[in-house]
Order: sequence, then structure tokens, then C-alpha cells
Amino acid sequence: LAKTTQPISMDSYEGQEVNITCSHNNIATNDYITWYQQFPSQGPRFIIQGYKTKVTNEVASLFIPADRKSSTLSLPRVSLSDTAVYYCLVGDLAMNTGFQKLVFGTGTRLLVSP
Amino acid sequence: KAGVTQTPRYLIKTRGQQVTLSCSPISGHRSVSWYQQTPGQGLQFLFEYFSETQRNKGNFPGRFSGRQFSNSRSEMNVSTLELGDSALYLCASSLASSREYEQYFGPGTRLTVT
Repeated sequence: LAKTTQPISMDSYEGQEVNITCSHNNIATNDYITWYQQFPSQGPRFIIQGYKTKVTNEVASLFIPADRKSSTLSLPRVSLSDTAVYYCLVGDLAMNTGFQKLVFGTGTRLLVSP
Repeated sequence: KAGVTQTPRYLIKTRGQQVTLSCSPISGHRSVSWYQQTPGQGLQFLFEYFSETQRNKGNFPGRFSGRQFSNSRSEMNVSTLELGDSALYLCASSLASSREYEQYFGPGTRLTVT
């Protein structure tokens, strides 16, 4: 079973753009790619979701190449409050079970400094 | 609109015992998914229920089971607890398929097995 991998940690400064990449080479054909943010002692919180090319909302952009085996979450002008762990979430290819499962990435701990 | 609620928030059990965790989804949401979060394994998908039917499942042993009621509330049961089952168990609800719709996570139940 292929893992969905992310960099363990990233450091940034306030006002900078941060790009976090997730590698998901076993993604199911018809599944979306979703990114979540998690603060300590809280459940993950939805950031953005996409299927292909580029998606943008009020807080982030998501870039997905044509082969969909990776995706990049872009956070423009981060602030101290963006310090959190970021996870990608994809559907994994079914392995003769009749079920498909969701796979979270390994998580990226982002630290934003003043 | 009330968020996802999970009960209990904290639980201490002994090896060999069983435990039942409860999740109340956001009103109108028909899908409930369960995840296990540990420092070593990260976030792992357990299973998803939609309209009282298990729709997707992860790679967990049969000791982990769940069900969903007609009002979309869900329970997760772990039998014959092992030390390695100590984790934060998160429940998430979504309008429909968790692979296509934004998931809203509860605060989790912290289970400690001694």
C-alpha cells in the first residue's frame, strides 16, 4: 500500500507564501484531494478540495498536476495563527476488497515566526 | 448549527475490556467517518457509514466495528482492547460521501488503555 507523504515540517515568516506538497501516487481515479488543518487538541478543519488543475478559495490555493500523483497547498501571506499541522487526504485505490479507503498524508508541521 | 459532538471526551480502560464511543453528526449530515490518531501512525481511516450502511473501511482488525442509526448518530466499538489502541478517536460528518464533501470533525475521544 503506497503511503501518502508530506514533508515533516516547514518554517516560514509572517507575510510569506508557503507551499506544502503531498505525494499520493496511489490515488483513486475518481477521488478528490482535500487538505485539512489541525491545531493541538482539536479535530482537523477543512481548508480546500480539488480534483484537477487549480482551485482557489479565500484562504488557500490547491495545485494539482495532470497525473494527480501529487498536490500542492499554497498559503498566501501566512500569519502566526497559521502555525498548525497540515494534512492532505485522498482516496486510495481499492485492493479487491469492494471498499475504498481514505488515506491521510503524514502531516506537515508548519511553524510561522514573526 | 451545532458541530459534531463526541462522547465521552476521555476514557481509561484496561486491556481486554471493550469500549463504545459515540458520535453525533451535524444535523442533515448523512455520512459519518471514524479515524484513529496516534503519534506514531498519524491519522488513519477506520470506516465510513452512510445511511446506516458501511461504505468504506480501512485496514483495521475486526475488533474495531461501528454502526450508524437512522438519525445518523454513530457508534464505534473496540473489543478486547490492546495497549496499542490508546489513541485519539475522531469522528467526522459530511453531507454525503466523505470522499467528495467537506468533512467536519469532532473534538475526539482520548482513549487510554492500561
